[in-house]
Amino acid sequence: AQSVSQHNHHVILSEAASLELGCNYSYGGTVNLFWYVQYPGQHLQLLLKYFSGDPLVKGIKGFEAEFIKSKFSFNLRKPSVQWSDTAEYFCAHKLIFGAGTRLAVHP
Amino acid sequence: DGGITQSPKYLFRKEGQNVTLSCEQNLNHDAMYWYRQDPGQGLRLIYYSQIVNDFQKGDIAEGYSVSREKKESFPLTVTSAQKNPTAFYLCASSRDRGASGANVLTFGAGSRLTVL
Repeated sequence: AQSVSQHNHHVILSEAASLELGCNYSYGGTVNLFWYVQYPGQHLQLLLKYFSGDPLVKGIKGFEAEFIKSKFSFNLRKPSVQWSDTAEYFCAHKLIFGAGTRLAVHP
Repeated sequence: DGGITQSPKYLFRKEGQNVTLSCEQNLNHDAMYWYRQDPGQGLRLIYYSQIVNDFQKGDIAEGYSVSREKKESFPLTVTSAQKNPTAFYLCASSRDRGASGANVLTFGAGSRLTVL
């Protein structure tokens, strides 16, 4: 069965720190990778997606993700986090979601 | 204002009772989905429907049932056969109906079901 693994369940950072959230997926034909974000009290929303082409994908709010085919990975990055980035982040491959990573950013 | 409306937001149920969660979308999306969200487990797919009068089981369909009589509506029934129904339920839709998985999902606000 297809699966998605997120390495960190809870991450705590100070503002301006760099962020990298790990995501690995099991192979399942074509690649359809997503990062979704759930801010407190809000709906889950799309952060970015990768289907093909340039493996470095830019999303909203300064986030980016890099697809590395050889590692089956799609890690999410942001150079400098803000308090407003506090949220839960979900990696997904096709319709399969990872367990999520709760990010808390302290001022 | 287009979107997905889930109701009720909170629901309490006694053991042995069936309960139906509503999901309505006005986005004119073809496909609709139900996920269950539990702490530490992420989202798990219960059922999805690519077109009216058709639906497929997801990874955890046991104890659940759905119908898709109208394009905009995809209600989920949690039956008494579901052994651990207390959870947060999310409905989603996508413009494309393809089964490839290349579908960007739009989510509702969710319904929290508690079994007493």
